[in-house]
Amino acid sequence: GQSLEQPSEVTAVEGAIVQINCTYQTSGFYGLSWYQQHDGGAPTFLSYNGLDGLEETGRFSSFLSRSDSYGYLLLQELQMKDSASYFCASNSNYQLIWGAGTKLIIKP
Amino acid sequence: EAQVTQNPRYLITVTGKKLTVTCSQNMNHEYMSWYRQDPGLGLRQIYYSMNVEVTDKGDVPEGYKVSRKEKRNFPLILESPSPNQTSLYFCASSHDYRQKDEKLFFGSGTQLSVL
Repeated sequence: GQSLEQPSEVTAVEGAIVQINCTYQTSGFYGLSWYQQHDGGAPTFLSYNGLDGLEETGRFSSFLSRSDSYGYLLLQELQMKDSASYFCASNSNYQLIWGAGTKLIIKP
Repeated sequence: EAQVTQNPRYLITVTGKKLTVTCSQNMNHEYMSWYRQDPGLGLRQIYYSMNVEVTDKGDVPEGYKVSRKEKRNFPLILESPSPNQTSLYFCASSHDYRQKDEKLFFGSGTQLSVL
């Protein structure tokens, strides 16, 4: 079957760096997306990796290794507003297959 | 303002009473999709549409219907709702999902409770 695995919860301190991992097992894979969702809100797009390597967008970076079926989202200089759930999603055959999400808890 | 509009935001109904959740986008997007979100399960796709009059089943289509008569609208219909359809529903759209790096734009969600 097709699946994406990510930790259910990660805790970090304000100002620190945190990495959220995602491993996938999907067919017809052509890229990995990351979305952010605040409590009570809608998911919003953060980044997409179609090729191996690191993509940087401000404080957020995302990495993909196709050979390892693995990716991660890196958040730097954590702010309280980054407290949210983060979802990885596999772009495969005109669909997005979603991970169950990682709740990021940030402590002052 | 470019957006995906879902209505209603909250809905409480009873088993068996037909309901429709509306979704409209003003971005001229070809691709639209419905998801349900349940705790611990992430987002699961119900139906999607690649263009007008073209719809297809996602991972959890049972108990749902959709139609795409116009490009901007993609309503979700529950003909006979049951308590296991209590969930948070999201409509989403993107310009053209054949482009592999397309990002989805989501509506604000509909929290449905079926009693």
